[in-house]
Amino acid sequence: QEQLVESGGGVVQPGRSVSLSCAASGFTFSAYGLHWVRQAPGKGLEWVAGISYDGHDQYYADSVKGRFTISRDNSRNTVFLQMDSLRPEDTAIYYCTRDQAAAGTWGEFEHWGLGTLVAVSS
Amino acid sequence: QSVLTQSPSASGTPGQRVSISCSGSDSNIGNNYVYWYQQLPGTAPKLLIYRDNQRPSGVPDRFSGSKSGASASLAISGLRSEDEGDYFCAAWDDRLSGVKFGGGTKLTVL
Repeated sequence: QEQLVESGGGVVQPGRSVSLSCAASGFTFSAYGLHWVRQAPGKGLEWVAGISYDGHDQYYADSVKGRFTISRDNSRNTVFLQMDSLRPEDTAIYYCTRDQAAAGTWGEFEHWGLGTLVAVSS
Repeated sequence: QSVLTQSPSASGTPGQRVSISCSGSDSNIGNNYVYWYQQLPGTAPKLLIYRDNQRPSGVPDRFSGSKSGASASLAISGLRSEDEGDYFCAAWDDRLSGVKFGGGTKLTVL
């Protein structure tokens, strides 16, 4: 059974950094694009970043470009999101999700993690 | 303002048919697949419709998707109380090189 489990969330001060991880199991990890999608409290879904199956291509929302970095380790079946220069508006539940497209350019997200909460506050 | 535009709310009574629209442009819906996600209160999103009009296994045929040009629609027939929640459309955007979600439609079953 396909499973995605996020970790690394918590409370962090503005301007600081945090790193999220998403451990995958139950499928051929290296065959799929992976993404991070966030949801601020009471708000809608916002796509944050995506990475191709081999890690060669990364994509970012304008709101996080230059501050967040997505990466993956196919030997560990894990995708990461390094979040730097955090702002209060980055406060959200961060979901890891798998794209059906290897290149990660469809947005076909059949499998989701339960999410991890990042709260940016002083 | 979202690149994909959805009405913020929709409602219906049990058994009715409701439709939720999603308006985009040539760089997203007009040139790429549309996806619909259902998010029930307190849960992670769930893929409801993929590649414009396909249903994943386990999704009832009460849910259907369609697309015309740069707009898409999700129809729910035989509305049930458990359908109450938020519905989001999504598509890859070639100009922005990323996935765009609609702002979401909150469905209320009266």
